Amino acid sequence: KNQVEQSPQSLIILEGKNCTLQCNYTVSPFSNLRWYKQDTGRGPVSLTIMTFSENTKSNGRYTATLDADTKQSSLHITASQLSDSASYICVVSAYTSRGGNEKLTFGTGTRLTIIP
Amino acid sequence: DAGVTQSPTHLIKTRGQQVTLRCSPISGHKSVSWYQQVLGQGPQFIFQYYEKEERGRGNFPDRFSARQFPNYSSELNVNALLLGDSALYLCASSDVQGNSNQPQHFGDGTRLSIL
Repeated sequence: KNQVEQSPQSLIILEGKNCTLQCNYTVSPFSNLRWYKQDTGRGPVSLTIMTFSENTKSNGRYTATLDADTKQSSLHITASQLSDSASYICVVSAYTSRGGNEKLTFGTGTRLTIIP
Repeated sequence: DAGVTQSPTHLIKTRGQQVTLRCSPISGHKSVSWYQQVLGQGPQFIFQYYEKEERGRGNFPDRFSARQFPNYSSELNVNALLLGDSALYLCASSDVQGNSNQPQHFGDGTRLSIL
């Protein structure tokens, strides 16, 4: 069964500090891994997408890493801001060429709160 | 360009009723996917439509159905509503069917509450 597990479930840090969120997955056949940011009451917004051959990708203060061998990913946030308060969701894509179907498996997210 | 738009934004129904949720994808996007997000959980895949055909279905009962129109907009229908159907229903669009390594673009969802 395809699964995506995220840790921690929730995190509270001071504004300006860095933090790292974790994602472990068992998804096959692996196509890509995505990190989304979801503000309360809004839809998820894509931060990064990494394929099997990519081990790091940055988007501003967000840097995602991928270890396809251990099936782990992390999202590092540098110099956190109050606007970073949100849920961060790890999503792993499995693609089957037969039928041409892509299936996304979502983690339950990490709820990040930045306090001044 | 407008993003993915969903309507209505909020909806209150009672058990046993039927509901129709609507989604307009980003202009040019031909793929629409529907997700159910229960409070505190990640989204769960319900359906994917591409070029007006169903391309994927999640583990949801037959009370859930969907369709895609020639202009690529989509409707999600849920019959015989249960209390457990209370959730945020998200629609996402992309310009390809899959394996494109392109992000799906999400709307802000319809918040459905069942009384």
